Amino acid sequence: EPEVTQTPSHQVTQMGQEVILRCVPISNHLYFYWYRQILGQKVEFLVSFYNNEISEKSEIFDDQFSVERPDGSNFTLKIRSTKLEDSAMYFCASSVAGGNTGELFFGEGSRLTVL
Amino acid sequence: SQQGEEDPQALSIQEGENATMNCSYKTSINNLQWYRQNSGRGLVHLILIRSNEREKHSGRLRVTLDTSKKSSSLLITASRAADTASYFCASRKAAGNKLTFGGGTRVLVKP
Repeated sequence: EPEVTQTPSHQVTQMGQEVILRCVPISNHLYFYWYRQILGQKVEFLVSFYNNEISEKSEIFDDQFSVERPDGSNFTLKIRSTKLEDSAMYFCASSVAGGNTGELFFGEGSRLTVL
Repeated sequence: SQQGEEDPQALSIQEGENATMNCSYKTSINNLQWYRQNSGRGLVHLILIRSNEREKHSGRLRVTLDTSKKSSSLLITASRAADTASYFCASRKAAGNKLTFGGGTRVLVKP
């Protein structure tokens, strides 16, 4: 069964360092998302991406964050200068469609620890 | 409170009992979805109910939607120990693609 894959599963970094989280969405999906979850709490929306551009972003997704789809398969989230409060589980998701039919398929997450 | 708040926050039941959890949301929606998350894992889609639907079933799951009250419920019948997980509702507004998740209900099913 097709699945969303994320790497790394866990990354430890120093405050101020750049981090890139990688995702391979399901191949025929058109919509891509990043969410984060702090310590098993609420799942927070960061950004959605469609047709090679950001379609929506949250207040969390400030200038320190960026997303890219550098080729036909990868979807990356970059945090330019990490802060302690960026420590969280980051989930990538994809869907075939948006709107009324779009269930999201999530990866297993990348745990980011900022020291 | 924010879009998609679940109630209760935690639920402990015996195997074989039913588990009911509720979700409220604030704005008009296109659809509402329920997801399950095992500890430390990704979210798994369970069921989607559209704004023009009132009830939907999938196996042991029953979801209701009351758009006049802006609320939804998820019922898991004949629960099993393997149903132990966190359950999240997520709403999609009429415009846009993002899903807004609630805080989740942690369900513990004791064998």
